[in-house]
Amino acid sequence: GQQVMQIPQYQHVQEGEDFTTYCNSSTTLSNIQWYKQRPGGHPVFLIQLVKSGEVKKQKRLTFQFGEAKKNSSLHITATQTTDVGTYFCAGRVRSGGSYIPTFGRGTSLIVHP
Amino acid sequence: ETGVTQTPRHLVMGMTNKKSLKCEQHLGHNAMYWYKQSAKKPLELMFVYNFKEQTENNSVPSRFSPECPNSSHLFLHLHTLQPEDSALYLCASSQVGQGLSYEQYFGPGTRLTVT
Repeated sequence: GQQVMQIPQYQHVQEGEDFTTYCNSSTTLSNIQWYKQRPGGHPVFLIQLVKSGEVKKQKRLTFQFGEAKKNSSLHITATQTTDVGTYFCAGRVRSGGSYIPTFGRGTSLIVHP
Repeated sequence: ETGVTQTPRHLVMGMTNKKSLKCEQHLGHNAMYWYKQSAKKPLELMFVYNFKEQTENNSVPSRFSPECPNSSHLFLHLHTLQPEDSALYLCASSQVGQGLSYEQYFGPGTRLTVT
């Protein structure tokens, strides 16, 4: 079925290094959302991208939506230990007569001080 | 954050028990969701309710039974569970409709252990 794929599954970085996670869909998405889940916590909404080629920034985080609206990326510049957690992308995928939220498997970021 | 609350936070139950998970949202949203989160499938959508109507049942076994009495409350009734059902059960809510962002707000989850 239609899925949202996300890579890598894990990423170890030294504090100060950059980090990127990638999200791909087999079909065009109407929008893409990104969430962060801290260890022991629950997913928290970060941002939504809607337009083809859209780029949004939140401090050290840069989010991109591909021109074909089938892929997206989240880039963190100069990681800090507070960035530790799992980052999920989510798209709305058609299921029968409705669209349902579909999450990628997530990328777990481990930052070594 | 108190927008979406879940009780209990932790639950240990035997395979023959019957229990219920409760979720309440205080955000005025019109859609609510149950997710299962485990190591094998990080965020697995189980049920969706829009305007109190169940619009999605993602091939979930019948030992899980959802109930949505109004747009603010969601229950997940559990009976005859299996050890592989042990996981974190997350509730979420969102506002759905034309031109809306559909961003989801998650509760803290119920950590379920089936013995």
